[in-house]
Amino acid sequence: EVQLVQSGAEVKKPGESLKISCKASGYTFITYWIGWVRQMPGKGLEWMGIVYPDDSDTRYSPSFQGQVTISADKSISTAYLQWSSLKVSDTAVYYCVRRGSLRGRFDYWGQGTLVTVSS
Amino acid sequence: QSALTQPASVSGSPGQSITISCTGTSSDVGGYNYVSWYQQHPGKVPKLIIYDVSHRPSGVSNRFSGSKSGNTASLTISGLQAEDEADYYCSSYSSTSTPVLFGGGTKLTVL
Repeated sequence: EVQLVQSGAEVKKPGESLKISCKASGYTFITYWIGWVRQMPGKGLEWMGIVYPDDSDTRYSPSFQGQVTISADKSISTAYLQWSSLKVSDTAVYYCVRRGSLRGRFDYWGQGTLVTVSS
Repeated sequence: QSALTQPASVSGSPGQSITISCTGTSSDVGGYNYVSWYQQHPGKVPKLIIYDVSHRPSGVSNRFSGSKSGNTASLTISGLQAEDEADYYCSSYSSTSTPVLFGGGTKLTVL
């Protein structure tokens, strides 16, 4: 059974750093892209970026380029999303998602990680 | 403003059919058959219901169907049921620098 299990909710202050994770199981990790999708409170889905774990090929949405870092550790089948300096506007639920190809679909979703940034 | 345009809301009565549109450009929706649709109930994780324009994943009701004409893709839900009340998002591959696009989402209300 394919599963994407994300790390738990976080409460942070502006300016702090953060790295959330997404542990994959039930399939060959290195043969699928893993992406991240943001959903701000009461808003829609926004694609942030995607990584191919086998060679760490990473693509970012222009809206998130330079704002976050997406990575993957194939030795432990885990993808990451990190911030070096959080803003209040980063408050959102973040989903990791599996994609068979860049042209494909997001067929499996993690349970979501709520990140709250508040002073 | 989202890259793909969806109506903010649609509504229908139980048993009726509704259609949600998703309009893009020739660089995304119109140029490729890589449109997918996701259903999200309040407080829940989005779920894939249509991929590659018109294909349904295993386990998804055949009341959900997808199609495309030109730069506009459509999701049709027939025989509306109360449980269909949710937000629906379209997504498409794009040949631009942003390979993944989402629509702004459509809230479906079952009257």
